[in-house]
Amino acid sequence: DTEVTQTPKHLVMGMTNKKSLKCEQHMGHRAMYWYKQKAKKPPELMFVYSYEKLSINESVPSRFSPECPNSSLLNLHLHALQPEDSALYLCASSQKGSRQGADEQYFGPGTRLTVT
Amino acid sequence: RKEVEQDPGPFNVPEGATVAFNCTYSNSASQSFFWYRQDCRKEPKLLMSVYSSGNEDGRFTAQLNRASQYISLLIRDSKLSDSATYLCVVNPGGYQKVTFGTGTKLQVIP
Repeated sequence: DTEVTQTPKHLVMGMTNKKSLKCEQHMGHRAMYWYKQKAKKPPELMFVYSYEKLSINESVPSRFSPECPNSSLLNLHLHALQPEDSALYLCASSQKGSRQGADEQYFGPGTRLTVT
Repeated sequence: RKEVEQDPGPFNVPEGATVAFNCTYSNSASQSFFWYRQDCRKEPKLLMSVYSSGNEDGRFTAQLNRASQYISLLIRDSKLSDSATYLCVVNPGGYQKVTFGTGTKLQVIP
């Protein structure tokens, strides 16, 4: 089973709201990722967690705050977003937590976020 | 030169045709290579990893050419359901980061 689940599927929020995106995997994967994808563009990496510790932050603005409560869960807390943050937010996981190389990543269905 | 380059297409091919995509990468130290497909408004789905010896999965064959720094994907006997964007993904070495190509759009027509 290579399933990654994400909730909610759709989210509309105002610029002053606080919301959270959730991601879950039960494959025993040790690395989890957040990506942002705009229309007709490839996914852009935001954060990587390895063994529940933040290992990569791609200079993401502080209005995005990741959290990894345990090895199966990954959250992305959103606060004071801008309309240009509207995008598809994808979570992914991969088996290895090693910082060397990269193995196959499995993506969740994404949360389609609209900031008004 | 971009880290990972793909021809954006679209490639419009009739059902049953054979189609091939190439993807070039700039970092000769790149270690891992993958092909993903992405349907419109859906998540990327892993199609196959690309090994040095090449690999085949049914109608799909992937190959790696380290000397010329490209990977290829061959689809035989195209089906309507193969219509999607095919993303080339490369790990430039070291950490878990991967770089996505911009994708090649395939449209299989009846």
